Amino acid sequence: AQSVTQPDIHITVSEGASLELRCNYSYGATPYLFWYVQSPGQGLQLLLKYFSGDTLVQGIKGFEAEFKRSQSSFNLRKPSVHWSDAAEYFCAVPSGAAGNKLTFGGGTRVLVKP
Amino acid sequence: ETGVTQSPTHLIKTRGQQVTLRCSSQSGHNTVSWYQQALGQGPQFIFQYYREEENGRGNFPPRFSGLQFPNYSSELNVNALELDDSALYLCASSFGGTGARTEAFFGQGTRLTVV
Repeated sequence: AQSVTQPDIHITVSEGASLELRCNYSYGATPYLFWYVQSPGQGLQLLLKYFSGDTLVQGIKGFEAEFKRSQSSFNLRKPSVHWSDAAEYFCAVPSGAAGNKLTFGGGTRVLVKP
Repeated sequence: ETGVTQSPTHLIKTRGQQVTLRCSSQSGHNTVSWYQQALGQGPQFIFQYYREEENGRGNFPPRFSGLQFPNYSSELNVNALELDDSALYLCASSFGGTGARTEAFFGQGTRLTVV
């Protein structure tokens, strides 16, 4: 079954510094992959998605992610973090017989220091 | 364009009671999925409704049930509540019941506390 793993539970970064969140997937073929962000007390917002083609994907809020088949990874990056980026980030992959459900990683909580 | 709205935002129930959570899907969407997010964890898929029919179910017992209405809004019902049912319940709407390319839009969730 398709799955994703987020190895880092918490990351603390200084405002203005770069951020990289790791996501590893388990799937034989080329997967579809998503990154979502969840601010405290809020639902999930889609940051970006990878279906095929260019392995570097641009998303909203200045985020990007790179699909690396050789490493089974889809890491999320942002060059310069803002205090408003403090949130929980989830990597997800469609799964199920019809690809109609999302399987999420455990999430990475990002804390931003002033 | 209206987004996904869920009601209520918070509620407290007693163990053994029943609860109904509601979700209005985004305009133009015909598919609703429900997820349970326990504290400190990622969301877990409960089930999906596509055109008023259940279209996939996760590893949840039958006391979790749902409905989708002709306007594509949806309800999640949980019977015989247990303490472990305390969680954030998220609704996601999308267009098309199958296919990984379908982008899901999430509501803000309903925080259920069972005491």
